[in-house]
Order: sequence, then C-alpha cells, then structure tokens
Amino acid sequence: DTEVTQTPKHLVMGMTNKKSLKCEQHMGHRAMYWYKQKAKKPPELMFVYSYEKLSINESVPSRFSPECPNSSLLNLHLHALQPEDSALYLCASSQARLAGAYGGQFFGPGTRLTVL
Amino acid sequence: DQQVKQNSPSLSVQEGRISILNCDYTNSMFDYFLWYKKYPAEGPTFLISISSIKDKNEDGRFTVFLNKSAKHLSLHIVPSQPGDSAVYFCAASARGTYKYIFGTGTRLKVLA
Repeated sequence: DTEVTQTPKHLVMGMTNKKSLKCEQHMGHRAMYWYKQKAKKPPELMFVYSYEKLSINESVPSRFSPECPNSSLLNLHLHALQPEDSALYLCASSQARLAGAYGGQFFGPGTRLTVL
Repeated sequence: DQQVKQNSPSLSVQEGRISILNCDYTNSMFDYFLWYKKYPAEGPTFLISISSIKDKNEDGRFTVFLNKSAKHLSLHIVPSQPGDSAVYFCAASARGTYKYIFGTGTRLKVLA
C-alpha cells in the first residue's frame, strides 16, 4: 500500500468556522508533512512530524494547528482563516530522513480549501 | 534564496521524442534528489529518485542523471507520450533533515 489518503477533497469555510483536514498513511512511514500549494507554485512546507512529534514548524500562523494522534494519522485544525489561506493543502509521508533513510516522499491528493 | 532551481518554466516536445528536464541546486549538503509529476488540483506523484552515491538511475521510460560537480540533475523521458504532459518538480533533501526543497517546476507539453 503506497497510498496517502486525505479528506475532505474539497472544503469551503467562512472566516469564523473551525474545520479539520485529515491525512492517513499505512506505509509505516515515521515522518509526515503538511504542505500548502498555491497555483503555479511549488509546494510550501508548513509542518513536519517525526515519530509523532512536531519537528518543524515553518513559522505558520497559529490559526493552523497540526496534530499527530498516532503514526498513521495527521490532522490539520483550521480556525479563523483568511481568504488568502485558500489553497491546495497537501499531506505527505516518508521514511524518517533523520536516520539517513532514503525513499520517496509520497503525497496525498490534497484538500482544495476555499475561505470565504 | 532558491536552493533548487528549474530554469525552464515550460517545455514542448513531440510525441515519441525525448524530453529532458533540468534542475540545478546550490546546497552541497543535498544527498538525495527526487522528481515528481503533478497534474492540476492533484498531489504530486513520486516518479524517480537518486542518491548522491549514484550518477544515474533508470525506471522504465524515466532516467535521472546526477552531476554532483556541476550540482545539476536531469530527468529524461523516452519516448515521450501525451499522458506525460504535466508539471514536473525536482526536489532535494539533506541527510539529517526532514526538509525536501522543491524547485519551481517545469510544465511539459507532449504534442501528439
């Protein structure tokens, strides 16, 4: 199983709403990532979890709150977002490179988020 | 500071011919390189990778070449097919970090 799944596929929310994005992988990967991608731009790293601990926060605003309940699941909690936060949110997983492991970083299909 | 660069934003190739996509990097600590293919509104699909101990890796129609002295890698697609039309990203990673640094992408169009 080389699949990363993400739900929902599309999400429309108002600026006062609270919502969550979910990501799941069953490849035994111990590193999981959240990226944000705007049109015609490369994926922009937001957070990295390694062995269920937050390893990297790329100075992301606190209205985005990640959570890693276990080694297979990754959530991104959203609250009081702005219209400029509208983007494709991508989850990915990989072997933990900190240990020097090689292997592809596998992406989910993404959640298309629109903030009104 | 763009550590990974794809200087060609777009490329058009005739079906059946070779597509060559290029990527340059500046950080000598990078030891693992990947190529992804991306369709609009979808997540990137991992295509092929190469570690710095190799200079070539081949998988079917896809071959990646690494020139460490020039800090340059390229992806060759032979023969090119219309279904290969997509945006291609290269990415690089350094041992001991979790970051994968992406290039800006090259849009490949394969003409039937």
